[in-house]
This record gives sequence, C-alpha cells and structure tokens, in this order.
Amino acid sequence: KAGVTQTPRYLIKTRGQQVTLSCSPISGHRSVSWYQQTPGQGLQFLFEYFSETQRNKGNFPGRFSGRQFSNSRSEMNVSTLELGDSALYLCASSLDRHTIYFGEGSWLTVV
Amino acid sequence: TQLLEQSPQFLSIQEGENLTVYCNSSSVFSSLQWYRQEPGEGPVLLVTVVTGGEVKKLKRLTFQFGDARKDSSLHITAAQPGDTGLYLCAGQTSGSRLTFGEGTQLTVNP
Repeated sequence: KAGVTQTPRYLIKTRGQQVTLSCSPISGHRSVSWYQQTPGQGLQFLFEYFSETQRNKGNFPGRFSGRQFSNSRSEMNVSTLELGDSALYLCASSLDRHTIYFGEGSWLTVV
Repeated sequence: TQLLEQSPQFLSIQEGENLTVYCNSSSVFSSLQWYRQEPGEGPVLLVTVVTGGEVKKLKRLTFQFGDARKDSSLHITAAQPGDTGLYLCAGQTSGSRLTFGEGTQLTVNP
C-alpha cells in the first residue's frame, strides 16, 4: 500500500515568487493536513482539509493557502515567498482521527 | 494556545542503557501520538494512545498516556544505535490537527 506521496521533493525559489506543493494521500484517506517544519519553530500546523473543505487552519499569513480535490489529493500554495518560508513542508493523511501518516516532505529553499 | 513541552531536548546515551522521554501539557488532548523522524525524512508514526492511563508496548518501547490525558512518556529499554533519531510527541485536538512538542534528539552510541 503506497504511503503519502509529496512532490516535488526539493525545490529552490527566489524571494517574491510563488510555489505550489502537491500531496497524494494514502488511498482511501479523506483527511489531508499540512505542516511546516523549521529548526527554530519545529512542526507547525498549517491547515487541514476533509472532503474538499478546509476544516482547520493554523496561524499562518494569508500567503499560505491550500485546496483539496475530489480524489483527496491536495495542494498548498505559498505566494510572495520570503526567506523565512524556507522549510520542510509535510503533508499528512488520515483515515480515522487517531492514525495520521506523514509523507517525506518537500524541501523548500528560498534565496 | 495549546503547548506540549517535551524533555529532554537532547539525549546521548550508551548502547544498552534505558531512557525515558516526557511530554507534558496543561491541555487535555483527545489522543497523543509519538513519531520518530530521521534527517531529511517525514515523521514515522510509532504509536497512538487514546485512553487516559493507557500503556502500549512496541518491542523495547513503552508508551504511556497520563490519566488526565495531558501528559505522556516514552520509555526505551536497552537502547540500540538503531534507535537514534528525533522523537516527537504530538497531541491531537480538533479533526486531525496535531500540536507537536519540540522533539527529543536521541543519540545511542555503540
């Protein structure tokens, strides 16, 4: 059974650009959530989607957005990139509320 | 804001020793999850504890959820170099939203 798949794995962007990250959850999982991991702040919750609806949102600026498609795949977008957005972005999927699996993440470097 | 305090932040021990990692909060969580993360990879789920007072064992790892569902501990018996990694506790609130502790970087020296 395939795990959570995130693409791209690594990317480098310039300040001011935008980026879109993709996540394919485990088959059958309808909940997808996104996290940002940095050395200074640790893992922080960005948002959660369930059946194409945003169910929860963390304390991030509006430059961070996401969506979920009917097949449960999800994308997150960061606009007007800042140096501080450099991080590992992790996607997680779950079938039930208590079993949450993470993908390997997308490493974003903003220069 | 719900916070999870994890301790110790760093732990370096010799192979064969035992260790305990603690995760504490003033908030009640519906469940608590423990993950292990290797450099450059995503966190891997080790266990989920749901019921207050629950104890789960996974080979040499023992996980406990506090009676009040505010704290948890991870105990490793006879640590091995392969146990080296970042251990993260995460409390679950609404939906699938997780609040993570700062992590414990464990190094087991041969």
